[in-house]
Amino acid sequence: DGGITQSPKYLFRKEGQNVTLSCEQNLNHDAMYWYRQDPGQGLRLIYYSQIVNDFQKGDIAEGYSVSREKKESFPLTVTSAQKNPTAFYLCASSTGLGGFGTDTQYFGPGTRLTVL
Amino acid sequence: AQSVTQLGSHVSVSEGALVLLRCNYSSSVPPYLFWYVQYPNQGLQLLLKYTSAATLVKGINGFEAEFKKSETSFHLTKPSAHMSDAAEYFCAVSEIQGGSEKLVFGKGTKLTVNP
Repeated sequence: DGGITQSPKYLFRKEGQNVTLSCEQNLNHDAMYWYRQDPGQGLRLIYYSQIVNDFQKGDIAEGYSVSREKKESFPLTVTSAQKNPTAFYLCASSTGLGGFGTDTQYFGPGTRLTVL
Repeated sequence: AQSVTQLGSHVSVSEGALVLLRCNYSSSVPPYLFWYVQYPNQGLQLLLKYTSAATLVKGINGFEAEFKKSETSFHLTKPSAHMSDAAEYFCAVSEIQGGSEKLVFGKGTKLTVNP
């Protein structure tokens, strides 16, 4: 089955530690995205990548970093510089072709990060 | 920058009643609009999208939405609520920023369906 996997589903980290969230897709999509979700806040874009070896900051990139070395993978690192990292993190992908008129973002199941 | 307003962070209906979830957007030009649904501790699933083909858009699970340019609205409706419709619903609009198209989400509306 094609889809997006995120691991782990639940992640706990001590304050001051970096942690990396995994996102893998087998949809052959070019574009990938990371969102942060907080209760009552909707989804906010952290980083996105339209093609391998290239990515752009979203609206709330501070304290986060990403890489896009392979088409299928777009890991997100939450660094110790992120002041309030406890949240639900969602990864998405889309074909990246033709704009949103013909494109659709598909979402993974999410990773819930808790900082202790 | 685009913004999306969802009126009512919580909506409660009885099973079998009409579901109406409101969404207004800020764009001055016809945008692309989306409704997503999220069940607890899961990712988002696309319900439907408006891409200027028809103002009344039908989606999955019996949901539909009507694009009204004069009201800058894209409200989501379902004639008869089912217990399985209980979830959080997000309206989103596309935006071009830095040469790339991205989605801007509303804050979500949590739907409760009472037996």
